[in-house]
Amino acid sequence: GESVGLHLPTLSVQEGDNSIINCAYSNSASDYFIWYKQESGKGPQFIIDIRSNMDKRQGQRVTVLLNKTVKHLSLQIAATQPGDSAVYFCAEKSNNFNKFYFGSGTKLNVKP
Amino acid sequence: GAGVSQTPSNKVTEKGKYVELRCDPISGHTALYWYRQSLGQGPEFLIYFQGTGAADDSGLPNDRFFAVRPEGSVSTLKIQRTERGDSAVYLCASSQQGMGSPLHFGNGTRLTVT
Repeated sequence: GESVGLHLPTLSVQEGDNSIINCAYSNSASDYFIWYKQESGKGPQFIIDIRSNMDKRQGQRVTVLLNKTVKHLSLQIAATQPGDSAVYFCAEKSNNFNKFYFGSGTKLNVKP
Repeated sequence: GAGVSQTPSNKVTEKGKYVELRCDPISGHTALYWYRQSLGQGPEFLIYFQGTGAADDSGLPNDRFFAVRPEGSVSTLKIQRTERGDSAVYLCASSQQGMGSPLHFGNGTRLTVT
């Protein structure tokens, strides 16, 4: 992903509402995508992944949607909780290379 | 089970000094990655090991940076003649197969070069 400096996009939601975090990826050859959650002072934590042969995958309270036509990925969090407050990153892996590229992140702020 | 362990958690060094950062991956994970993360940005790829060999080191910024994984488990990232611009969080991750498996990250080493 491209650097956007220090000012992360921020999404503020009320506790109990649903959250949608979006990510645009750049490489049409990417075949595997992951959403990570990062809390302050910690490393990124795996949330959910999806391969390019799928367009939707559900986990516990989370859903990832993949639109390959417009190269867009989204993470939906149901019934958002204060513990969901963190920075969320999408990561893509090209089918040609075994490394992941990360987006610049979105900060989710959950208001109690 | 034990996750990825990185030591030290914090390192402060003077400009021009040499530093080593250590990573203990999850047991049995054959692939190991180093990333660097600056404040407010996503992790940036540095180098990837499959077993003992560096399969892709295209992200290392210059020849002051070097990494090894001599026995296919623990890895050390080495930075020579540190510069203030090297200040960042250095993250290590491991995965089971490398291809199509998620990365599991440690909590990083915060390097500050004064």
